[in-house]
Amino acid sequence: AQTVTQSQPEMSVQEAETVTLSCTYDTSENNYYLFWYKQPPSRQMILVIRQEAYKQQNATENRFSVNFQKAAKSFSLKISDSQLGDTAMYFCAFMKPWLSGGYNKLIFGAGTRLAVHP
Amino acid sequence: NAGVTQTPKFQVLKTGQSMTLQCAQDMNHNSMYWYRQDPGMGLRLIYYSASEGTTDKGEVPNGYNVSRLNKREFSLRLESAAPSQTSVYFCASSAGTVYTQYFGPGTRLTVL
Repeated sequence: AQTVTQSQPEMSVQEAETVTLSCTYDTSENNYYLFWYKQPPSRQMILVIRQEAYKQQNATENRFSVNFQKAAKSFSLKISDSQLGDTAMYFCAFMKPWLSGGYNKLIFGAGTRLAVHP
Repeated sequence: NAGVTQTPKFQVLKTGQSMTLQCAQDMNHNSMYWYRQDPGMGLRLIYYSASEGTTDKGEVPNGYNVSRLNKREFSLRLESAAPSQTSVYFCASSAGTVYTQYFGPGTRLTVL
């Protein structure tokens, strides 16, 4: 069974600095998808970034980028130039495509609470 | 474009009461999902609907029922609420089951 582990329950960073959130996962699959979702105090779950396992290039989205290490089963999120609005809970998630149809299960880690300080 | 909407935002129930959580999406997505979020556990799937007319159990379906009313709407029903169902409930949708899921704002449910 697939599992997702976020080993940092809480992190803090100063505004404008860079922070990296860790995520590891366990799977025997070769093709899958990885996601980072952000949940601010408003509780809304917001997609930050998505990575397809078959792509060697790391995904980027403005100030957010990932370091995808497939062999190590590691998927860390780097936030550059941190802003106060980045304060949120961040969830790493794994999805194994079920190519023959049916549900592609989205498995979440327990989350990392990030606080950005002025 | 509202995306995924959920009602109500907050609800307090007594043990044994029933209620239905409503979810609607305006993105013409085929697949819809219900999750619950408990402290320290991330999100867990309760039920999903891969397409209109189909529903299937997720990881934690006990105590819940769902209805895919049409392509837009997917409701979650608690027939006899229990304190263990105190949680935040999220609805999500995706274009298909292989695609990115987009979430609603959540419903905070407390069962006394």
